[in-house]
Amino acid sequence: QVKLLQSGAALVKPGASVKMSCKASGYTFTDYWVSWVKQSHGKSLEWIGEIYPNSGATNFNEKFKGKATLTVDKSTSTAYMELSRLTSEDSAIYYCTRDFYYFDYWGQGVMVTVSS
Amino acid sequence: AIVLNQSPSSIIASQGEKVTITCRASSSISSNYLHWYQQKPGAFPKLVIYSTSYRASGVPSRFSGSGSGTSYSFTISRVEAEDVATYYCQQGSSNPYTFGAGTKLELK
Repeated sequence: QVKLLQSGAALVKPGASVKMSCKASGYTFTDYWVSWVKQSHGKSLEWIGEIYPNSGATNFNEKFKGKATLTVDKSTSTAYMELSRLTSEDSAIYYCTRDFYYFDYWGQGVMVTVSS
Repeated sequence: AIVLNQSPSSIIASQGEKVTITCRASSSISSNYLHWYQQKPGAFPKLVIYSTSYRASGVPSRFSGSGSGTSYSFTISRVEAEDVATYYCQQGSSNPYTFGAGTKLELK
């Protein structure tokens, strides 16, 4: 069955960076885009961007350009997102999703807390 | 960006009641690209309806969707206790993909 297993919660200092992972299983990793979605506490969902593992092609929400970097490791079927220059506004849960016009499978989420 | 206006923001319903959520887009969307998700407290979102009216795998038949252009709706024909959640519409028609603000469904 399709699974997306994300890395654990992170506590990071303002100004630092954080890199999280999303390991896919149960399907051909290179056949589907992987999207990343942000959910701030108690709020709605924001699409950050997507990456196509086969080619490494990316598309971003303009709001997150310069903030998020998306990469993949095809050998381990793992997608990564790095967030840079973190502020309190980046404290949120971040989900990876399999992207096939719609988000049909989701990871369990990574809670990122930005605090000194 | 396409803005999705969801209403109502919250619903209190009795078990067995029919509930409908509407999602109005700021620009016309192909029905292929309008989807609905369910998020239970403390859990990740789950796809419920894709491409306006198709139920995702394993989703009970009491869930349905319809619409076209800028106006879409999501219906639970007979609410059950397990349906307590926040529901979001989402458009995948144009970058950035956007979500509605959510509708929180509670039981009376």
